[in-house]
Amino acid sequence: NAGVTQTPKFQVLKTGQSMTLQCAQDMNHNSMYWYRQDPGMGLRLIYYSASEGTTDKGEVPNGYNVSRLNKREFSLRLESAAPSQTSVYFCASSDAGGQGNIQYFGAGTRLSVL
Amino acid sequence: QKEVEQNSGPLSVPEGAIASLNCTYSDRVSQSFFWYRQYSGKSPELIMSIYSNGDKEDGRFTAQLNKASQYVSLLIRDSQPSDSATYLCAVNGAGSYQLTFGKGTKLSVIP
Repeated sequence: NAGVTQTPKFQVLKTGQSMTLQCAQDMNHNSMYWYRQDPGMGLRLIYYSASEGTTDKGEVPNGYNVSRLNKREFSLRLESAAPSQTSVYFCASSDAGGQGNIQYFGAGTRLSVL
Repeated sequence: QKEVEQNSGPLSVPEGAIASLNCTYSDRVSQSFFWYRQYSGKSPELIMSIYSNGDKEDGRFTAQLNKASQYVSLLIRDSQPSDSATYLCAVNGAGSYQLTFGKGTKLSVIP
C-alpha cells in the first residue's frame, strides 16, 4: 500500500505565482489534513476535511484554499504565493476524529517561494 | 488557545540507557494522546497512542498519561542510535479532528 501520496516533492515558486499541492490516500480514510512545518514552529494545521464534502479551517488558513475532490483526494492551493509560505507541507489522513484520529502522513512537499 | 509544551532538547543519552521525553498540555478536556517520531527530512510516523491514565507498553516504548497533572511522557528503554530523531507529542480533544502538536524534542543516542 502506498498510504498517503503527495505531489510534488519539491517546488520553487516566485512571489505571486500559484500552485496546487496534491494529496491522495488509499487507506479508505474519511478525514484528511494539510499541515505546514517550519523550524521552531512545529506542525500547524492549515485546513482539514472531516469527511467527503466538508472542509474546515485550522490554525493557519490565510493564503490557502482546499478542495476535497473525493474520498481519496484533498488538494491545497496557494493562489498568490508569498515568501512567508516557504515551508514543508504535509498531508495526513485518519479514519475518524477523537480516539480514531490516528493520523498517517505523506512524505511532504518542500516549497520555496522566492 | 490549546498548547502542547515539550522541551526542545537536544536530549542526549548513551546507547542502552532509558530516554525520557515529556509533554504537558493546556486543554483539560483533551482525550487522546499520541507520540510521533520524525527523522530529519522525513515525515512524522506514529509510535504510540494512549487514552487512559496509566502506562501503555509496546516493545521498548512506554507511554505514560496523567490527566490530573495534564502530563504525558514517553520512555524509550535500551535506547539505540536508530532512535535518534525528533519526537512529537500530539493531543486531541473529545470528538475533535484537530491534533495539536508540540514543537518536538530532539533525541540523540550516543554510541
